[in-house]
Amino acid sequence: DGGITQSPKYLFRKEGQNVTLSCEQNLNHDAMYWYRQDPGQGLRLIYYSQIVNDFQKGDIAEGYSVSREKKESFPLTVTSAQKNPTAFYLCASSARYREAAYEQYFGPGTRLTVT
Amino acid sequence: EDQVTQSPEALRLQEGESSSLNCSYTVSGLRGLFWYRQDPGKGPEFLFTLYSAGEEKEKERLKATLTKKESFLHITAPKPEDSATYLCAVQTDYNTDKLIFGTGTRLQVFP
Repeated sequence: DGGITQSPKYLFRKEGQNVTLSCEQNLNHDAMYWYRQDPGQGLRLIYYSQIVNDFQKGDIAEGYSVSREKKESFPLTVTSAQKNPTAFYLCASSARYREAAYEQYFGPGTRLTVT
Repeated sequence: EDQVTQSPEALRLQEGESSSLNCSYTVSGLRGLFWYRQDPGKGPEFLFTLYSAGEEKEKERLKATLTKKESFLHITAPKPEDSATYLCAVQTDYNTDKLIFGTGTRLQVFP
């Protein structure tokens, strides 16, 4: 089955520790995205990548880092510099063609709790 | 500034009681408008893409429509399994494919 997997589903960390969230897709999509979801707010874009070995900051990139070494994988690291890291993190991917807007497909999410 | 607003924030319906959810947007240029369904603790599930005013899409009890300023998600004869948060998002930027999301409408359907 084609889809997006995120692991782990739940993650608990102490303040001051870096943590990496995994995202893998087998949809053969070029573009991948990381969003953060907080109660009462819309999804906010952290980072995105439109092609392997290239990525750009989204609206709330401070305190986060990413890499895109393979088409299938787009891991997100939440660093100790992120002031409020507790949130629900969603990875998404989409096909990307210059003339059209294509839907993004989402993974199941990782709930990160930092204490 | 591009903005997406969804209303109402929450909606309670009796099973079989049809209603509509609203998504209004103010953007510089619309490339596409998307509807998603999200169950608690899960990722959003794609429902529809609308590209231009006048376009309509249907899937089972759901029908999405688009005008130049807003989109509606009509739910006909809802069932309890339709209970979820419905998210609207717009894509405006050709270069980034970025989606701008509304805060969602939480729908509860009671038997």
